[in-house]
Amino acid sequence: GDSVTQMEGPVTLSEEAFLTINCTYTATGYPSLFWYVQYPGEGLQLLLKATKADDKGSNKGFEATYRKETTSFHLEKGSVQVSDSAVYFCALSLAFGTGTQLKVEL
Amino acid sequence: DTEVTQTPKHLVMGMTNKKSLKCEQHMGHRAMYWYKQKAKKPPELMFVYSYEKLSINESVPSRFSPECPNSSLLNLHLHALQPEDSALYLCASSQEEGLTDTQYFGPGTRLTVL
Repeated sequence: GDSVTQMEGPVTLSEEAFLTINCTYTATGYPSLFWYVQYPGEGLQLLLKATKADDKGSNKGFEATYRKETTSFHLEKGSVQVSDSAVYFCALSLAFGTGTQLKVEL
Repeated sequence: DTEVTQTPKHLVMGMTNKKSLKCEQHMGHRAMYWYKQKAKKPPELMFVYSYEKLSINESVPSRFSPECPNSSLLNLHLHALQPEDSALYLCASSQEEGLTDTQYFGPGTRLTVL
């Protein structure tokens, strides 16, 4: 069945550092790929999505490109802020990755 | 309005109690979902309703009973729960049940079973 593998956390970065969170997937068909973010005590929010190969999703400085050849959808941000501290989930339809906790320090 | 609301926000119940969780959306979405999330884990799918009919039941114990009274409402009836059922219960909705649809999540109900 469809599945997502996500890099383990936690990830701790200094403010303004570059962020990459790796995500690879296994899927049949042509699913959309998603990154969701969960802040403490809250539900999940859509961060970005991509619907087909080579699409780039972007939002709030975060980007991810749907790469069919490497079955990947890595999340990147050029300069993280303390307010980006949260748990990030890569997802494919109803399959979620294990989540990566990001902590950004001053 | 892109909001999914859930009530109550917190719920504490004993193992013999009966309670219900409520979820509501007014986005015209035809698919609604219940997830269970334990601390530091991803959401686990429990049930999916599509056009008010149960579409997916992920082998959830019968002490959890979902109900979809209309296209905007989703309930989860709880009875004779166990302490290990304590978790955050998330509701979500999407335009359709499909591979490409974004899910919109509510804030969750934090359930504690004593």
